[in-house]
Amino acid sequence: DQQVKQNSPSLSVQEGRISILNCDYTNSMFDYFLWYKKYPAEGPTFLISISSIKDKNEDGRFTVFLNKSAKHLSLHIVPSQPGDSAVYFCAVIRDSGAGSYQLTFGKGTKLSVIP
Amino acid sequence: NAGVMQNPRHLVRRRGQEARLRCSPMKGHSHVYWYRQLPEEGLKFMVYLQKENIIDESGMPKERFSAEFPKEGPSILRIQQVVRGDSAAYFCASSREPGQGTGELFFGEGSRLTVL
Repeated sequence: DQQVKQNSPSLSVQEGRISILNCDYTNSMFDYFLWYKKYPAEGPTFLISISSIKDKNEDGRFTVFLNKSAKHLSLHIVPSQPGDSAVYFCAVIRDSGAGSYQLTFGKGTKLSVIP
Repeated sequence: NAGVMQNPRHLVRRRGQEARLRCSPMKGHSHVYWYRQLPEEGLKFMVYLQKENIIDESGMPKERFSAEFPKEGPSILRIQQVVRGDSAAYFCASSREPGQGTGELFFGEGSRLTVL
């Protein structure tokens, strides 16, 4: 029972263009949504998050969009850089605050930014 | 850089042996979490510990797996009588508050367990 789905295992984008990573979830009760980035042989690192009460959050080149009616989350990276090449995990929290350690992750999308 | 430290980075065990994975949280962090990533899967929550207490072990398999975070020393994830299905990357994370309230956890580099 996959509660968080990242349907694209991989994505290739030219340097300077926009990268769009997508994530779908099944439970409308999820409270908080996050993106983590992971390089090979390293642990995931937090990238950006959004609360369920918002529909957009921006941090530099990274913007996360939340469409609650469609239960869809996306991460936009613009412009894409070769150093952005990594696996990106979408994650959700059912209960923010005291329960916000229990993240449910998608399987990840491997982004390759071509110079 | 006093990040989350995990060791060993790689561990090979034969079926039936025991595996012990260690995790030292970031300085100033008293909340530790263990996650497991099976091949081709996302990370899955296993257990949340504070010093000398298991707070939430709802993601831990019922048998062979145990975790502790003693008053002194690192957190330990122990897997007894390992089987091939235990082969995975085990990630430890820490935070100052439970999930920082926003799900931002600081992960270590992981321990990769291979069971032959």
